[in-house]
Amino acid sequence: DAKTTQPTSMDCAEGRAANLPCNHSTISGNEYVYWYRQIHSQGPQYIIHGLKNNETNEMASLIITEDRKSSTLILPHATLRDTAVYYCIVRATGGADGLTFGKGTHLIIQP
Amino acid sequence: GAVVSQHPSWVICKSGTSVKIECRSLDFQATTMFWYRQFPKQSLMLMATSNEGSKATYEQGVEKDKFLINHASLTLSTLTVTSAHPEDSSFYICSARDISRSSYEQYFGPGTRLTVT
Repeated sequence: DAKTTQPTSMDCAEGRAANLPCNHSTISGNEYVYWYRQIHSQGPQYIIHGLKNNETNEMASLIITEDRKSSTLILPHATLRDTAVYYCIVRATGGADGLTFGKGTHLIIQP
Repeated sequence: GAVVSQHPSWVICKSGTSVKIECRSLDFQATTMFWYRQFPKQSLMLMATSNEGSKATYEQGVEKDKFLINHASLTLSTLTVTSAHPEDSSFYICSARDISRSSYEQYFGPGTRLTVT
């Protein structure tokens, strides 16, 4: 699976949009971009995934650049409960393997 | 939907004893479950892949005789930490794939915190 690079930490004001970047310059054509988050002392939670088109669900939006070398996870109206470590993971289709977690981004929502 | 439970949520045991952790998919079937562990201030590390009805596949550096995995049904996988030592104290998390879905997102349990004294 391709390696990803994320900022170590970010702050965002409550009620504002939180934009979390991820670089994956070595991504292959058959690899998807997945986002998970882990709230302190809990198991990770799936957020969203995409291949090349922008995706949106009830939790977030995922914007993938045209060259697919980077992406941005957008939480449109951040709340205090969105404070968590966010992991960007690139993996091939098929999904037979476990996930390789990097260090992620610690997003802190400020009141 | 797609709920995964773990039991117990936390456990304290004495050095040398064994501890069993259960991972259940509550509302879906999972032919494949994964076990991870997470040390304080570190990221999750994959330990092993558990396949229903067959032997687990362990990641490099994970002792298969110490971390026994059984996946006897499509909704239950167990991890037994044998002869536990203080260095095994960690947060153990399982995940499961829903075989009915064409996508491959994994659903994670809430984790089990093991403390070995």
